Amino acid sequence: EAGVAQSPRYKIIEKRQSVAFWCNPISGHATLYWYQQILGQGPKLLIQFQNNGVVDDSQLPKDRFSAERLKGVDSTLKIQPAKLEDSAVYLCASSLEAPGQGPYEQYFGPGTRLTVT
Amino acid sequence: GDSVTQMEGPVTLSEEAFLTINCTYTATGYPSLFWYVQYPGEGLQLLLKATKADDKGSNKGFEATYRKETTSFHLEKGSVQVSDSAVYFCALNPLSGGSYIPTFGRGTSLIVHP
Repeated sequence: EAGVAQSPRYKIIEKRQSVAFWCNPISGHATLYWYQQILGQGPKLLIQFQNNGVVDDSQLPKDRFSAERLKGVDSTLKIQPAKLEDSAVYLCASSLEAPGQGPYEQYFGPGTRLTVT
Repeated sequence: GDSVTQMEGPVTLSEEAFLTINCTYTATGYPSLFWYVQYPGEGLQLLLKATKADDKGSNKGFEATYRKETTSFHLEKGSVQVSDSAVYFCALNPLSGGSYIPTFGRGTSLIVHP
């Protein structure tokens, strides 16, 4: 079974530039998560999708971050414009959870390490 | 809101020593509790879980018991190995508005010396 795929693995940009990350979850997983993990801290949930609907985005800085999950499969997370404090690893995870079910194990991708200079 | 508090690391042990990593939580309702592990250079992966009070999760010699009265889910292992060196994350997954919304602790680094 293929795991959660993310790209790119590394990205270096200057502040005020924009960047996009892509995630392909495990086939058949209804729920997809984006996390921000700053060095030395635990993953912080940015947004959670179930199929192509948003379940929670209470911690997503909506003035600069956006995310979409078209057709309930792949997802992209965008930052525009980036700030120095956005330097972190961005993790994507997926799980089998469907409405009214769970909680199930989350499967994590390898992450994208973003450096903003 | 919901939160997880883990003991500060790093925890440094010799091989075959006993391990405890403390985890306490605050949450409304009855969340499911998880331990995830991140080995060097790898992604997070589930280590064990417990879904209700007094449940014990176990895997690879690690155990944790869901203690509702003390709101704790401490991770233990009787005899650690060098290969257990990793960062361990406690997480809870309470039901909110019909969906499970996960919250992670900050992680505890474990270093095991031969």
